[in-house]
Amino acid sequence: AQSVSQHNHHVILSEAASLELGCNYSYGGTVNLFWYVQYPGQHLQLLLKYFSGDPLVKGIKGFEAEFIKSKFSFNLRKPSVQWSDTAEYFCAVIPSTTSGTYKYIFGTGTRLKVLA
Amino acid sequence: NAGVMQNPRHLVRRRGQEARLRCSPMKGHSHVYWYRQLPEEGLKFMVYLQKENIIDESGMPKERFSAEFPKEGPSILRIQQVVRGDSAAYFCASSPRDSGNQPQHFGDGTRLSIL
Repeated sequence: AQSVSQHNHHVILSEAASLELGCNYSYGGTVNLFWYVQYPGQHLQLLLKYFSGDPLVKGIKGFEAEFIKSKFSFNLRKPSVQWSDTAEYFCAVIPSTTSGTYKYIFGTGTRLKVLA
Repeated sequence: NAGVMQNPRHLVRRRGQEARLRCSPMKGHSHVYWYRQLPEEGLKFMVYLQKENIIDESGMPKERFSAEFPKEGPSILRIQQVVRGDSAAYFCASSPRDSGNQPQHFGDGTRLSIL
């Protein structure tokens, strides 16, 4: 079955530390990849997406992610986190199938806490 | 705010009652998706609807759950005879078309608590 794994469930960092959140998926075909962020009590907001082209994708708020097809990975990075980055981060994949390309498969999320 | 609107934000029901969750998609969006997030888990796809059509309900429990997206008005996720295990956050998302190249936009969710 298709699945998305986020290996870090809870991450605690100090401000200015670098961040990398892992995301691996299991699907051998074409995929679209996303990272969403959910601030406390708010809806999911799109951080960045990858459909095709340059595997290094830049998103909002200084985040970037790299798609490594051979590793089925789409890790999220930020060189220097801020206290305001405290949130939950979700990796999501949409496999492209014959029945359509719409069904998000989400990871379980990573809760990031940034200490001021 | 022209985003995806869900109401209510919080809903409390007793076991055996019915829960109705509403979702108004973003303006111009005709595709609606419902997801459920259980505690400590990621969002799980439930159903995909277009106006007056259920496209994919493969993630819906076989009993007690139903969804609709009428020609007029919001999409409704209906849970009959709720049980404690239905306690979760239910998120609605919308897109202007099949979201392969169009990210889905999410609402704030409805947090359902069953007493």
